[in-house]
Amino acid sequence: GQQLNQSPQSMFIQEGEDVSMNCTSSSIFNTWLWYKQDPGEGPVLLIALYKAGELTSNGRLTAQFGITRKDSFLNISASIPSDVGIYFCAGQPNTNAGKSTFGDGTTLTVKP
Amino acid sequence: EPEVTQTPSHQVTQMGQEVILRCVPISNHLYFYWYRQILGQKVEFLVSFYNNEISEKSEIFDDQFSVERPDGSNFTLKIRSTKLEDSAMYFCASTQTGLQETQYFGPGTRLLVL
Repeated sequence: GQQLNQSPQSMFIQEGEDVSMNCTSSSIFNTWLWYKQDPGEGPVLLIALYKAGELTSNGRLTAQFGITRKDSFLNISASIPSDVGIYFCAGQPNTNAGKSTFGDGTTLTVKP
Repeated sequence: EPEVTQTPSHQVTQMGQEVILRCVPISNHLYFYWYRQILGQKVEFLVSFYNNEISEKSEIFDDQFSVERPDGSNFTLKIRSTKLEDSAMYFCASTQTGLQETQYFGPGTRLLVL
């Protein structure tokens, strides 16, 4: 099946720092999604990307859909303590009814 | 804001027992999904469901699993004879159109098989 490689696996940063994480795939996706998951809860959608090259922002978050459609990155600017959590990328191919393949996740720790 | 709900939030069961996990998708959504997440691991696709039938299923979704939409609002996942390795969080999700669409996830059911 399709695999997503997400990196880094974990990050420890100081409050106020910027964060960048990315996902790559050997196959093409037509939708890229970025989710945040808090402990014991379901993933919550942060940003959805629908077109190659698309750059989308949601507050302090910015994500881009790679031109090759095989990668995406998520940036968080000026991190705050509540940014702590696990961030997952997910890709959706065109042929399936919304099935998402998830990356392994990036665990973010923000030190005040 | 409409949301996907799931019950129960936690379930503990003995190995070999049957469990039914329940989900109420967002009311105007037509595509429904189950995912699972073993503790500390990534979210894995189990099955998608549209028009009262399975659209796709993963290799995880073997004969022990089944899904059903018994009425106009509920979407259930049944595990016929639970195994220890079925212990995980199970997430239901739904979308309105399925394609090029975002999925809304429920809060999950934590299943523990002893």
